[in-house]
Amino acid sequence: AQSVAQPEDQVNVAEGNPLTVKCTYSVSGNPYLFWYVQYPNRGLQFLLKYITGDNLVKGSYGFEAEFNKSQTSFHLKKPSALVSDSALYFCAVRAITGGGNKLTFGTGTQLKVEL
Amino acid sequence: ETGVTQSPTHLIKTRGQQVTLRCSSQSGHNTVSWYQQALGQGPQFIFQYYREEENGRGNFPPRFSGLQFPNYSSELNVNALELDDSALYLCASSLGTIAGGVTDTQYFGPGTRLTVL
Repeated sequence: AQSVAQPEDQVNVAEGNPLTVKCTYSVSGNPYLFWYVQYPNRGLQFLLKYITGDNLVKGSYGFEAEFNKSQTSFHLKKPSALVSDSALYFCAVRAITGGGNKLTFGTGTQLKVEL
Repeated sequence: ETGVTQSPTHLIKTRGQQVTLRCSSQSGHNTVSWYQQALGQGPQFIFQYYREEENGRGNFPPRFSGLQFPNYSSELNVNALELDDSALYLCASSLGTIAGGVTDTQYFGPGTRLTVL
C-alpha cells in the first residue's frame, strides 16, 4: 500500500522568509511524487512533480521540492514567501494499480504567510 | 485554469436519493479520475476511466459508479446517498496509457460540493 504523511497541519511564516512544507512517503518501487495547492472553494492546482532525474524539482510560482530517497521525503520549498501563497498544500504519491494509476494524497498542510 | 470543468457547482440531496455529477476533461486528455474530498481531509481515489473503460478503483462501495463517453467526458453516479457522502467531488483529467504513462499529470477541475441531508 502507498501512503503519504504531512506531519504539520499548519505552517506559519513571515512574508519574505523561506518556507518549507514537509512530506514523507511510503511506496513499493520508484515513487512518482506530486505537490498540489488548493485555494478556498477551489479544486487542486498542480505545482510540480518528481518522476526521475535531478533531485531538485522546480515548479510553478517559484516553488521547488527536494526528493530524498534515503529519507523518503519530498519537501516543498520556496526561498521567499508571499502572502498570496497562503493556501492548503497537498503532497501525493502515484501508485500503479491494476493497470491504471491513482494518486494517494496526504491530509494537507495549511500554509499561512503573514505580513 | 486547467480546462477541466465540472457541473453542478453545488448540490443538495436527501439521504437515499441518487445523484449524477459531470466532468468535461481537458482537450486532448483520454483519462478521467474521480476523487472524494471530505472536509479537512485529502482527496480519496474513487475510480479512473481510460478510453471509456474503468481502469482502477479505490475502496468505495458499488453504489459509486461511473461512465466515460467517447468524447472522454465522464459521469459519477452515487445511489442510495448517505450522510457521509457529503464532500467535495473532484474530477481530474490526464493523458495516459493503459499502463499509466510515467509523465501523466492529473489536472483537477473545481469540484462539485455535495451536501446530503
